[in-house]
Amino acid sequence: DQQVKQNSPSLSVQEGRISILNCDYTNSMFDYFLWYKKYPAEGPTFLISISSIKDKNEDGRFTVFLNKSAKHLSLHIVPPQPGDSAVYFCAASLFYNQGGKLIFGQGTELSVKP
Amino acid sequence: EAGVAQSPRYKIIEKRQSVAFWCNPISGHATLYWYQQILGQGPKLLIQFQNNGVVDDSQLPKDRFSAERLKGVDSTLKIQPAKLEDSAVYLCASSSPGSYNEQFFGPGTRLTVL
Repeated sequence: DQQVKQNSPSLSVQEGRISILNCDYTNSMFDYFLWYKKYPAEGPTFLISISSIKDKNEDGRFTVFLNKSAKHLSLHIVPPQPGDSAVYFCAASLFYNQGGKLIFGQGTELSVKP
Repeated sequence: EAGVAQSPRYKIIEKRQSVAFWCNPISGHATLYWYQQILGQGPKLLIQFQNNGVVDDSQLPKDRFSAERLKGVDSTLKIQPAKLEDSAVYLCASSSPGSYNEQFFGPGTRLTVL
């Protein structure tokens, strides 16, 4: 049972254009969502997060939007740069404040072309 | 600040052999996680420790996998005997109290079972 889904295995965008990565989830009880970025031969690194009580969180070029009614979140990168080329994982958590585990999506490989 | 250390980085074994992975978390991080990432999938939590106690091992195949965290610092994950389907990257992560889900990942150990 895949509770967190990223339906696009890969995405290619031109440098300077908007990049949007999507993620869907099935469990309405998730209370916290995160995005991680992973370069080859490295572990994932935390990028940005959002609590279920918010619908938007912004950090520099990265913005995460949460649509609870649709059980959907998205990561916007504006503008994307070649160094952003990596695999992006979304993750969700139950009981975030009590140390609940993360459930990851399958990942989307982003390629930003100069 | 030193990151999460893992060794070895790569391991190739025959099926039915045994293998062990080592993880040293970030100093002061009480929570330690072991994840399995199969190619094309997101990381899946195998076991979570809080200090040297197990918080969640619901997805650990206990007939062949074992993990320990003696003295609440380093941890080892063992597979005995290995199966072909155990081929994956094994990621260790740690987090500090108050930010459970902002986990810091090590580079992982890539295991190939032949």
